Amino acid sequence: ILNVEQSPQSLHVQEGDSTNFTCSFPSSNFYALHWYRWETAKSPEALFVMTLNGDEKKKGRISATLNTKEGYSYLYIKGSQPEDSATYLCAFTSTGGGNKLTFGTGTQLKVEL
Amino acid sequence: SQTIHQWPATLVQPVGSPLSLECTVEGTSNPNLYWYRQAAGRGLQLLFYSVGIGQISSEVPQNLSASRPQDRQFILSSKKLLLSDSGFYLCAWSNPRVPRIYGYTFGSGTRLTVV
Repeated sequence: ILNVEQSPQSLHVQEGDSTNFTCSFPSSNFYALHWYRWETAKSPEALFVMTLNGDEKKKGRISATLNTKEGYSYLYIKGSQPEDSATYLCAFTSTGGGNKLTFGTGTQLKVEL
Repeated sequence: SQTIHQWPATLVQPVGSPLSLECTVEGTSNPNLYWYRQAAGRGLQLLFYSVGIGQISSEVPQNLSASRPQDRQFILSSKKLLLSDSGFYLCAWSNPRVPRIYGYTFGSGTRLTVV
């Protein structure tokens, strides 16, 4: 069984705050790490996919880093806005795991005015 | 372009009643198809996946079953629902002909409440 853990489980920040959360995953048999953003009543939306140790990806105010040796990824949001409120999911793919993604429990972010 | 449709959006069913959730994909052929569930306070758990018509793999023992009667149709069923079947169900597809790093495209989900 592959364990993908995310922390914190939930987070409340004020508009303009910068924030970050963590995804930890098995460091052996690593293939790829995905981040998804999931707004209520909508489909999860792909943010990033990272495959190489040390990868950094950026999309607007959101960025992510990857450490495959120690098995963690950080997602950063700079200058949070209310529209950033969503659940952020990470998902791990292993070598030999086919196309199956193993998801973490998610971090629920609420950005307040 | 490819689209994925999932219905119904919400469903309230009594314990012991049957269930059928449907997912269809358009604009591609021979997709890999997946059913995930998110129970309250838990992450997305893979229930079933399929790499072709009639080919179903079950990830966890449970009260549910899946079928793929057509290439782009994936159905999640139960003969008798349990309270523990409540949750949010997501269908997803991936293209087996591209590198696995491309991940999934999800449907909009079904909120199932068993009462």
